Amino acid sequence: QVQLVESGGGVVRPGTSLRLSCAASGFTFKSYGMHWVRQAPGKGLEWVALIWHDGSGQYYAASLKGRFTISRDNSKNTLYLQMNSLRAEDSGVYYCARLGHGDNGDFFDSWGQGTQVSVSS
Amino acid sequence: QSVLTQPPSVSGAPGQRVSISCTGSSSNIGAGYDVHWYQHLPGTAPKLLIYANNNRPSGVPDRISGSKSGTSASLAITGLQAEDEADYYCQSFDSSLVGHVFGSGTKVTVL
Repeated sequence: QVQLVESGGGVVRPGTSLRLSCAASGFTFKSYGMHWVRQAPGKGLEWVALIWHDGSGQYYAASLKGRFTISRDNSKNTLYLQMNSLRAEDSGVYYCARLGHGDNGDFFDSWGQGTQVSVSS
Repeated sequence: QSVLTQPPSVSGAPGQRVSISCTGSSSNIGAGYDVHWYQHLPGTAPKLLIYANNNRPSGVPDRISGSKSGTSASLAITGLQAEDEADYYCQSFDSSLVGHVFGSGTKVTVL
């Protein structure tokens, strides 16, 4: 079955960088677009970024203002999120999710368990 | 402030029916974009419950259903069970923000 396992979270200082990974298995990774979604403490879900199956297109939430970069290595079945200039408001659980295609809007059909990021001085 | 508005909480006794609303605007649900629903237990992976307004993935029981009308959508759970106690989120696409948007989330409590 589809398995997504995030890693790379931790406690970091404001202004520093962190790279998250998501290892995929149980499906043909190179055939699917992938997302990152986050949840701040006590808050709801927030979409972060999307990358096309072949990496040819990347899309980001406007609120990120160019600080994050989504990428993938299809030879390693792994999705990445490079996070720079981290702020306290970036703290939360980060989930990777597989793209589900809809005729009138896409969705997230499988999710990982998440990795915790804490940005604190 | 979430783009899609949901009630913070709903509750019901076992066996009862509960409904969760998701209100958007002309740039998301009202623009014709589909609504999808997720169940989330803290500390676990969110789970897709309904996609494209009213479609259930395999394994989701038929006592869970979705609907959409105008700028709003709803998720209904009939025959409420203890295992339904969780947070529920709606999701759509917003053409003004050019991105996927989630509802504010609704906590379902089984009394």
